[in-house]
Amino acid sequence: EPEVTQTPSHQVTQMGQEVILRCVPISNHLYFYWYRQILGQKVEFLVSFYNNEISEKSEIFDDQFSVERPDGSNFTLKIRSTKLEDSAMYFCASRDRVHNSPLHFGNGTRLTVT
Amino acid sequence: KNQVEQSPQSLIILEGKNCTLQCNYTVSPFSNLRWYKQDTGRGPVSLTIMTFSENTKSNGRYTATLDADTKQSSLHITASQLSDSASYICVVSAGKNQGGKLIFGQGTELSVKP
Repeated sequence: EPEVTQTPSHQVTQMGQEVILRCVPISNHLYFYWYRQILGQKVEFLVSFYNNEISEKSEIFDDQFSVERPDGSNFTLKIRSTKLEDSAMYFCASRDRVHNSPLHFGNGTRLTVT
Repeated sequence: KNQVEQSPQSLIILEGKNCTLQCNYTVSPFSNLRWYKQDTGRGPVSLTIMTFSENTKSNGRYTATLDADTKQSSLHITASQLSDSASYICVVSAGKNQGGKLIFGQGTELSVKP
């Protein structure tokens, strides 16, 4: 069964550094998402992306964050200058065009900012 | 404020027993309600999706119910197995933007013991 893949599985970075989290969504999916889960807390929506542009974003997704679909397969989340509070598990998800179709999540990238 | 609350926070049951998890939500406008299973260190996996007009939906040993009037949902697990041990998350989709802004509950941590 096709799945969403994320790399790396764990990223450690120093405060102030830029990080890029990578995702390969399921190939025929059209809608892409990033979510994050701080340890012990709820999963939170960051951003949704469709037709090569952001369709919705949360208040968490400030100017430090950006997303890109640089080619036909990858979907990336960039954090420009990481802060300690950015430490979390970041999940990529995708879905197809069918109304109310389920989101398929990757297994996440654990970002640790020191 | 859009919120999803789940109970109990954690639950321990013996293998083979049934259990029911609860979800209350205050999300507007409501689009659909989803139950996800999240194994430790993995991304959430979709179990069921219900729209406003659906009262119940089954997926194998999982049966979800929805009462849109009282804004409550339940997930019933029949004949539990050790592999059912996971976090079960109630997720409500808000607004017209399909599947984009999902509001996650805190999850119920289920532990199935032999």
